[in-house]
Amino acid sequence: QVQLQESGPGLVKPSETLSLTCTVSGASIGSGIYHWGWIRQPPGKGLEWIGSVHYSGATYYNPSLKNRVTIFMEMSENQFSLKLNSVTAADAAVYYCARLRTFDLWGQGTLVTVSS
Amino acid sequence: QSALTQPRSVSGSPGQSVTISCTGTSNDVGGYNYVSWYQQHPGKAPKLIIYDVTERPSGVPDRFSGSKSGNTASLTISGLQAEDEADFYCCSYAGTYTYVFGTGTKVTVL
Repeated sequence: QVQLQESGPGLVKPSETLSLTCTVSGASIGSGIYHWGWIRQPPGKGLEWIGSVHYSGATYYNPSLKNRVTIFMEMSENQFSLKLNSVTAADAAVYYCARLRTFDLWGQGTLVTVSS
Repeated sequence: QSALTQPRSVSGSPGQSVTISCTGTSNDVGGYNYVSWYQQHPGKAPKLIIYDVTERPSGVPDRFSGSKSGNTASLTISGLQAEDEADFYCCSYAGTYTYVFGTGTKVTVL
């Protein structure tokens, strides 16, 4: 049974970098079949696709976040990670990792607060 | 890349049917048969209930069905049950491995 689990700091200071990791168990992220991605949901609001990565190294980002986001894989750890630079209060959200392309598997989500 | 448009809320009595619309453009919903739907209960992660416009994952009741016409996709819940009360989101492929979600719809069972 494939499972995804997000981890990382729950509090980030304004202007700093948000860093999260998604650990995948039960399947190899290097299998080549799937892309792996990040989605976020501000409190009380809707879902926003952030971006995704394939084991080939190819990455795809939401145009609205493209200048601030990096997603990369750490194959040896069977993990993929998200970095979002220069965060503001608008980046506060529950961040989910998921398996694409149908988003059929999701992590439980991790809440990130932006505050000094 | 603008969010797909969904009604803010829909409601129905147990046993009734409700339909949620998801309107995009020819660059997303209308351009690909890759529309999916998710159910999200409070405090929980979204759950896939429809993919590729009409397909249901194993374990999802056949009360949930999807369709598409032009730039608008729809999710119909037939025989509404109390446990169907949740937020629902559509999502469409938008080309070059990018995706866009809908604004979300709250389903209330009266």
